[in-house]
Amino acid sequence: AQSVAQPEDQVNVAEGNPLTVKCTYSVSGNPYLFWYVQYPNRGLQFLLKYITGDNLVKGSYGFEAEFNKSQTSFHLKKPSALVSDSALYFCAVRDRSNTGKLIFGQGTTLQVKP
Amino acid sequence: DADVTQTPRNRITKTGKRIMLECSQTKGHDRMYWYRQDPGLGLRLIYYSFDVKDINKGEISDGYSVSRQAQAKFSLSLESAIPNQTALYFCATSDSRGASTQYFGPGTRLTVT
Repeated sequence: AQSVAQPEDQVNVAEGNPLTVKCTYSVSGNPYLFWYVQYPNRGLQFLLKYITGDNLVKGSYGFEAEFNKSQTSFHLKKPSALVSDSALYFCAVRDRSNTGKLIFGQGTTLQVKP
Repeated sequence: DADVTQTPRNRITKTGKRIMLECSQTKGHDRMYWYRQDPGLGLRLIYYSFDVKDINKGEISDGYSVSRQAQAKFSLSLESAIPNQTALYFCATSDSRGASTQYFGPGTRLTVT
């Protein structure tokens, strides 16, 4: 069965410091991997996705994610955090069948302090 | 995202009542999805539809039903609401390409008392 784990409920980082939000997955075959962000009282916004090719994927708002097949991980990163990055972040995975179904992790709250 | 709208945005209802949540999209996508979000559990798929005549159960469909009235409209019904259906409900859409992104509506916060 497919699954996604986000091992940290909350990540705290100081503004200007680099941030990492962790995600590991379990899926048969080669997955598609996604990151979404949810700001308070808002829907989910798409940040980036991995399909194939370069293991480093760049997305919106300066975020990037690194796909590591051997470690089955897809960690979200940003070189310099902003207070406005504070939000709830979700990792999601889907297999390459035609179902289109996404499996989400439980979410990680990112708190960036001034 | 304005391309995917949900109504109502907030709803309080009583146990046993029937309630319908509606989703509309202007993205021209074939596929539509309903998820619920609970704290600490992420999003879980309730139902999904690949086109008007193709509707499928997700992982937590018990107690819910759906209707795809048109390509652009997908509604979720709770026939007899219960308190543990209190959650944030999201509609999403995508096209049918292999690695398509799902785009989410703003959500409906449902409280069942």
